[in-house]
Amino acid sequence: AQSVAQPEDQVNVAEGNPLTVKCTYSVSGNPYLFWYVQYPNRGLQFLLKYITGDNLVKGSYGFEAEFNKSQTSFHLKKPSALVSDSALYFCAVRTMEYGNKLVFGAGTILRVKS
Amino acid sequence: GAVVSQHPSWVICKSGTSVKIECRSLDFQATTMFWYRQFPKQSLMLMATSNEGSKATYEQGVEKDKFLINHASLTLSTLTVTSAHPEDSSFYICSARGRLAYEQYFGPGTRLTVT
Repeated sequence: AQSVAQPEDQVNVAEGNPLTVKCTYSVSGNPYLFWYVQYPNRGLQFLLKYITGDNLVKGSYGFEAEFNKSQTSFHLKKPSALVSDSALYFCAVRTMEYGNKLVFGAGTILRVKS
Repeated sequence: GAVVSQHPSWVICKSGTSVKIECRSLDFQATTMFWYRQFPKQSLMLMATSNEGSKATYEQGVEKDKFLINHASLTLSTLTVTSAHPEDSSFYICSARGRLAYEQYFGPGTRLTVT
């Protein structure tokens, strides 16, 4: 079974509208959850993480994510999208089940149109 | 956040030659470094994990004699692609994590093209 799933290959949203990029996970124990963003021909930039505590996590560039244990989800959100948010977004999980290494989802392309 | 650099950012080499890629953590001590490979429009594939001063642990299917990894210090790891072939052409990304850190920081990547 896929440990991290990003069900959407691409998300399209108009500038100024709220955006959501979905992520669900399937691992045992208490996972650490992460979101990264990748611009073309660049490495990954860390956006935010959930380790423990408040389920709503705020990160860089106005992004936030909500950890939902019952739904095993960690969706990335932003209240108002910018054209410059257009990029490839990766959800990742880290857990002892996978040797404490990051396991990435397949990635979701976000396109924000003006 | 912490900074990880990679050098070179892109390299073109002839088939049969070897190429070395450097990864440095600039403002923290990286007790663990990771090397990933990424194909176009795909996710990152972990190649190997290395801890400072010890041998790298390779993922299943990754040839350790072809992809030589050295993690000689807490700020430097190198990946050497030996006897490169066109199928080794890819985007290689390193990543580093500190001893007590939850975050893992990524380098900007190296585009390798083997002709």
